[in-house]
Amino acid sequence: GEDVEQSLFLSVREGDSSVINCTYTDSSSTYLYWYKQEPGAGLQLLTYIFSNMDMKQDQRLTVLLNKKDKHLSLRIADTQTGDSAIYFCAESAPEHQGGKLIFGQGTELSVKP
Amino acid sequence: DAGITQSPRHKVTETGTPVTLRCHQTENHRYMYWYRQDPGHGLRLIHYSYGVKDTDKGEVSDGYSVSRSKTEDFLLTLESATSSQTSVYFCAISDGLDRDTQYFGPGTRLTVL
Repeated sequence: GEDVEQSLFLSVREGDSSVINCTYTDSSSTYLYWYKQEPGAGLQLLTYIFSNMDMKQDQRLTVLLNKKDKHLSLRIADTQTGDSAIYFCAESAPEHQGGKLIFGQGTELSVKP
Repeated sequence: DAGITQSPRHKVTETGTPVTLRCHQTENHRYMYWYRQDPGHGLRLIHYSYGVKDTDKGEVSDGYSVSRSKTEDFLLTLESATSSQTSVYFCAISDGLDRDTQYFGPGTRLTVL
């Protein structure tokens, strides 16, 4: 079945790196995503990775994908207080064109000054 | 930001009353989705639509119905609201082309007393 798991909380100091982890079960997923949710707001797409890639870097964000272990991670370099939010990983369910997504529970990142 | 609005943004209602939430998009995207967000569960798909008058159930569809009579509007109805339907509801849209990326509305906070 489809299931995406994340740890619920992460606390880091400003300036440190944050690593948010995610495991998924559907090995046929085409894309994996990271979304960010700030308090009182909807979800915003942060980045995505195609399933045939191992790594993707976008400014302070690095996404690592280990297909063998079905493990996805998001690293935020030089974490700032503005990065405090809930981060969701999601996988695409390939049988539905139009991209039904399966979301993890979300990891609440707290950045302390 | 993608042109997605949700109305109302906040609603308090009583058990047993009908409630309709509206999602409106100006992007002419084919696919629209309704999710609910609850602590510890992330986002769970309620219903989705892949075109006008074409809808299907998600993983938590019991107690909810939807309608899509126009491309731009997707309505979610709780026929007889229950306290377990207290949640934050998000609408999302997708054109089905851009890496299955979904764009989210700002959310509706619904409280059922």
